Amino acid sequence: GEDVEQSLFLSVREGDSSVINCTYTDSSSTYLYWYKQEPGAGLQLLTYIFSNMDMKQDQRLTVLLNKKDKHLSLRIADTQTGDSAIYFCASIYGGATNKLIFGTGTLLAVQP
Amino acid sequence: DAGVTQSPTHLIKTRGQQVTLRCSPISGHKSVSWYQQVLGQGPQFIFQYYEKEERGRGNFPDRFSARQFPNYSSELNVNALLLGDSALYLCASSLVAANTEAFFGQGTRLTVV
Repeated sequence: GEDVEQSLFLSVREGDSSVINCTYTDSSSTYLYWYKQEPGAGLQLLTYIFSNMDMKQDQRLTVLLNKKDKHLSLRIADTQTGDSAIYFCASIYGGATNKLIFGTGTLLAVQP
Repeated sequence: DAGVTQSPTHLIKTRGQQVTLRCSPISGHKSVSWYQQVLGQGPQFIFQYYEKEERGRGNFPDRFSARQFPNYSSELNVNALLLGDSALYLCASSLVAANTEAFFGQGTRLTVV
């Protein structure tokens, strides 16, 4: 079956690094995504990684993929109060659609 | 360039009524997907349309239907509304049908009373 799991909550201090973890079950997922959702808003695409990559860096964001363990992580360097939001991991279901399977989201709280 | 636009932003309906939600994708994008996000959960896939044809359907009852127009905009219809249909409905736009980035609109907050 298709499933994506995330831890529910993470609290960090401003300036520290944040690491948000995700596990997925669908080994045929070609792309894995990270989205950010602020209160009352839609989803903002942060970054994504193709399944044949191990790592992708994009400014303060680093994505690590362990395909063997089906584990994905998002590291945010120098976390700021503006990074406080819910972060969703999503995998593409596979096949001929763009169906995304989302985790339940991780609430990141950044303390000043 | 405009991003994904959805209308209306908020809506209150009574149980048993019908509702239509609208989405305009990013210019040049030919695929639109609809998701339901219940409070405290991740979005759940409802439909995907590409070039006016249904490409995928999630595990939702037949009360939910959608269509895509020649200009690639889309409507989501929900009949016989239930209290449990209260949610944020998100539209995602993508360039092609599969394996590509999906960009989301701000959503329509539907409250059923």
